[in-house]
Amino acid sequence: KQEVTQIPAALSVPEGENLVLNCSFTDSAIYNLQWFRQDPGKGLTSLLLIQSSQREQTSGRLNASLDKSSGRSTLYIAASQPGDSATYLCAGAGSNDYKLSFGAGTTVTVRA
Amino acid sequence: GAGVSQSPSNKVTEKGKDVELRCDPISGHTALYWYRQSLGQGLEFLIYFQGNSAPDKSGLPSDRFSAERTGGSVSTLTIQRTQQEDSAVYLCASSFTYSGEQFFGPGTRLTVL
Repeated sequence: KQEVTQIPAALSVPEGENLVLNCSFTDSAIYNLQWFRQDPGKGLTSLLLIQSSQREQTSGRLNASLDKSSGRSTLYIAASQPGDSATYLCAGAGSNDYKLSFGAGTTVTVRA
Repeated sequence: GAGVSQSPSNKVTEKGKDVELRCDPISGHTALYWYRQSLGQGLEFLIYFQGNSAPDKSGLPSDRFSAERTGGSVSTLTIQRTQQEDSAVYLCASSFTYSGEQFFGPGTRLTVL
């Protein structure tokens, strides 16, 4: 069973600072890794999907990398803004099934 | 609509009652997933549909939980004889293909009194 860990559990930074969120997983036979954002009381918004054949994906200020050999993914958010405050979740899908196993999330606060 | 929709958004019920939660996936998405998010357990997988069939029901916590999907579209998650530990946010997701990016609905918050 895929186990996903996210460190740190919470992060507070001043506006403008770059954010680095870490995700580790136990099964290197990961098929997809997906990063989500969740605002309080809301559903999950998909940010980036990295497929197993890829090493990174970029969307605007967001960049996510995937290193299957070390079992790690990192989400970088450049020049953070107060609107980036949310909980960020990473989730991995195995090669035999595509259900997502989620980490507990990193709650980010960007101070104005 | 453009995204995944779920209804109701909130449901309060008494212990022992049955509830039905509905999910409308993005049009054309063949895969549909149900997850549950609770304070103690985080986000956990419940069941997956490919078309109308459910090849993976491994996450359903007990036989009180069942789900169906009709016409390759709408899905209903039914919880019979609800218990207080069933209180959680139930999230539905869909993807274009079995291996594709999953898009989530806003969830149904279930409270069992």
